[in-house]
Amino acid sequence: NAGVTQTPKFQVLKTGQSMTLQCAQDMNHNSMYWYRQDPGMGLRLIYYSASEGTTDKGEVPNGYNVSRLNKREFSLRLESAAPSQTSVYFCASSERQGNTEAFFGQGTRLTVV
Amino acid sequence: AQTVTQSQPEMSVQEAETVTLSCTYDTSESDYYLFWYKQPPSRQMILVIRQEAYKQQNATENRFSVNFQKAAKSFSLKISDSQLGDAAMYFCAYRGRLRETSGSRLTFGEGTQLTVNP
Repeated sequence: NAGVTQTPKFQVLKTGQSMTLQCAQDMNHNSMYWYRQDPGMGLRLIYYSASEGTTDKGEVPNGYNVSRLNKREFSLRLESAAPSQTSVYFCASSERQGNTEAFFGQGTRLTVV
Repeated sequence: AQTVTQSQPEMSVQEAETVTLSCTYDTSESDYYLFWYKQPPSRQMILVIRQEAYKQQNATENRFSVNFQKAAKSFSLKISDSQLGDAAMYFCAYRGRLRETSGSRLTFGEGTQLTVNP
């Protein structure tokens, strides 16, 4: 019963490098989300996908791109990493109904040096 | 855009006592959903309790209850008989009504770090 699986769990990048964070869910959820968590700022929404084939910007989309590959998978790409993107990244999924619980992955701790 | 504010970065409580965590939100919608999530040091996000705005009755889950004041746009979490395992970061979250053309964004507050003293 995996739920939401994120890879990798830890990553160190040099400024200017690119990388893709992978996320997959096995709960047949329609909606998927990418957040970043920084001290004192809570979880801020980067991008979300309401359903397969759609993606929308969240609060802090600059410097990121996403791909909803299929219903299960939603990836986050950093094209040219910057130190300001050092953060903990969370992927989440949920049904589209408003009161349903969002399930989260374990997070990825990314450091950009 | 909806915003969620948690004005208490840190709170502490003695074991077995009661503590209340505050949350306010800003929205122009009349129908929405509110959540409290708990994040222990493991970083796992755990749903604690949820509230539908159209329900006047406050939600309760065992030792956890909310005080939902719709007019004041306030959604506080009360933890009774606090236990050491309650120590965690607590996040308040808002989700608007589902719309046809977009999913329902889940917006979080800044979080409150709760310490439980033995």
